[in-house]
Amino acid sequence: GEDVEQSLFLSVREGDSSVINCTYTDSSSTYLYWYKQEPGAGLQLLTYIFSNMDMKQDQRLTVLLNKKDKHLSLRIADTQTGDSAIYFCAERAGGGKLIFGQGTELSVKP
Amino acid sequence: EPEVTQTPSHQVTQMGQEVILRCVPISNHLYFYWYRQILGQKVEFLVSFYNNEISEKSEIFDDQFSVERPDGSNFTLKIRSTKLEDSAMYFCASIGGETEAFFGQGTRLTVV
Repeated sequence: GEDVEQSLFLSVREGDSSVINCTYTDSSSTYLYWYKQEPGAGLQLLTYIFSNMDMKQDQRLTVLLNKKDKHLSLRIADTQTGDSAIYFCAERAGGGKLIFGQGTELSVKP
Repeated sequence: EPEVTQTPSHQVTQMGQEVILRCVPISNHLYFYWYRQILGQKVEFLVSFYNNEISEKSEIFDDQFSVERPDGSNFTLKIRSTKLEDSAMYFCASIGGETEAFFGQGTRLTVV
């Protein structure tokens, strides 16, 4: 079945790069997404990548997709304390629904 | 930037009561979804809605749940007889075309 896995925690120092990893199972996924959730808040769409792309860059964010290994990563350059949040990876499965990972809690220490 | 709007932001209800959660999707979107997130857990798919009917639903979406698009703008999720385990954050989402999936800010439902 469809499944998305992420590591649960990541801790970095301010100014470092953060890399959040995700694996998925559905090879027919068309789009893969990254969402950010701050405490008590909703899901903010950060970026997405189409499955025929390897990389997408958007300011401090770089998404890398290895379709063969079904591995997706989100790199945040120059991580700031305001980047502290839970980051969800999601794949767009059949019928258009999104399947989410369990979220990675990013902690940025000054 | 377009946004999905959900109301109320927080609803407290007694067990056994009916609740209706409301969503206004982005106006030119065609696909609508409800998800829920129990505190500290994954975001789980509940139901998708297209062309005024349910296109897919998960095992969670049992007979206690229903969805409706009563007019051209609102999209509602009804829970007929709430249980304690229905306490969660409920998110509405809409997708236009093939790409961006936008979520609302969520409704926190607390069943007491």
